[in-house]
Amino acid sequence: AQKITQTQPGMFVQEKEAVTLDCTYDTSDPSYGLFWYKQPSSGEMIFLIYQGSYDQQNATEGRYSLNFQKARKSANLVISASQLGDSAMYFCAMRDLSLSFGAGTTVTVRA
Amino acid sequence: DVKVTQSSRYLVKRTGEKVFLECVQDMDHENMFWYRQDPGLGLRLIYFSYDVKMKEKGDIPEGYSVSREKKERFSLILESASTNQTSMYLCASTEGASSYEQYFGPGTRLTVT
Repeated sequence: AQKITQTQPGMFVQEKEAVTLDCTYDTSDPSYGLFWYKQPSSGEMIFLIYQGSYDQQNATEGRYSLNFQKARKSANLVISASQLGDSAMYFCAMRDLSLSFGAGTTVTVRA
Repeated sequence: DVKVTQSSRYLVKRTGEKVFLECVQDMDHENMFWYRQDPGLGLRLIYFSYDVKMKEKGDIPEGYSVSREKKERFSLILESASTNQTSMYLCASTEGASSYEQYFGPGTRLTVT
C-alpha cells in the first residue's frame, strides 16, 4: 500500500508567489516523522523541513512551512516568495518503522 | 559535517553480472538505507539496516541483497543484474530511531545493458 501520496506531478509558479505542495500519508504507528526534501537537477537530496507526529505547532524553516493536519493525515509544504532557485523536484517522506518517499512534485518557477 | 559516500557515480554493467554498490558514512550512524529512484515513482526503499549484521527488507527487495559487516559500510548487491535494474541508487544514513534527518549520498547511476 502506498504510504506517501503526492498527487501533483508538476507545478508552475510565478516568481515571488507562494506555492503549496500536497502530501498525504498513511500509517498506523502513533509515532512518526514527516519530511520534505528538495532535489535540484544536480541530483543531491537536500533536507528542508521536519514535523514530528506529536509536535503541536507546524514546523517552519525560513521560507518553508509545513501545514500539518494530523486528522487528515496531510503534510503539505508551503514555499513562500518563490525564487528561481526553488525550481526542483520536491519529495515528501515519512519515517515510521522505515522511511518512505512519495513520487515527487516538480516545481518550475517562472520569472 | 556528515558525509555519505558511494563508490561510483556512474556504472555500466552487463546483464547477468554481479554488481556491488558500496556506501560508507563517517558519523557512526546506526541506520542505513538503500533506495532506487525512477522517474514518476520517487524513491523506493530496497533494504535498510538498524545495526551491524542486521537487515530489513524494504518495499522492493526482489533481485537485491545487502551486507553490513561494519557499522560504517552498507553494501547493495545485485546477484545477477537485469535491464530493469537500470536506475539511480541512493544510499542514506541516520543516527538512530529518534533522529529525524537522513543524510544522502550523491547517488550511483547504474545502467545495465
